[in-house]
Amino acid sequence: DQQVKQNSPSLSVQEGRISILNCDYTNSMFDYFLWYKKYPAEGPTFLISISSIKDKNEDGRFTVFLNKSAKHLSLHIVPSQPGDSAVYFCALYSWGKLQFGAGTQVVVTP
Amino acid sequence: IAGITQAPTSQILAAGRRMTLRCTQDMRHNAMYWYRQDLGLGLRLIHYSNTAGTTGKGEVPDGYSVSRANTDDFPLTLASAVPSQTSVYFCASSDGSFRGNTQYFGPGTRLTVL
Repeated sequence: DQQVKQNSPSLSVQEGRISILNCDYTNSMFDYFLWYKKYPAEGPTFLISISSIKDKNEDGRFTVFLNKSAKHLSLHIVPSQPGDSAVYFCALYSWGKLQFGAGTQVVVTP
Repeated sequence: IAGITQAPTSQILAAGRRMTLRCTQDMRHNAMYWYRQDLGLGLRLIHYSNTAGTTGKGEVPDGYSVSRANTDDFPLTLASAVPSQTSVYFCASSDGSFRGNTQYFGPGTRLTVL
């Protein structure tokens, strides 16, 4: 049973608009939450993270929100750019290991 | 600085054959990991090593083995490959400091078992 779920396998967004990616989890043991970005034929690269003691972390165009009561994590990208087209994975950290969601394919259209 | 290198880039393998995927990092990271990526399942941890000389099992370890003789290298071996091991394999490393365990990934090995 997957403890980390990204229920939207794909997302299409117009350039300049906001992209919102969601991630739900079932276990409260996670104490750090990360987002990774992956281009085709490359390994995932770290994008942004948030500690369980915070509810928001911002880095340029990327903001991660954490709602612990709802066990919900989201990533906002604004404004979206063509280079943001990639697969995005949420990853939850506990006891020295990461658990990944299935990923969301984002396509930014002109 | 190369970061993490993996070899081969891709491989087609007959079922029942033995195969070792190579992973080398030059960041002197203590921890290393092997994942497989399958469509709809994301990345799943196969094996990990917190430091040279130690290894541990991840979520999907069956059919795979690893060794960590030194800090830089972390090979993954399939003793007798089966078609269900067709996947993209990623090696990763981290320095082990508590910043959410940020991991750095290699470019991956695409393995097809026929």
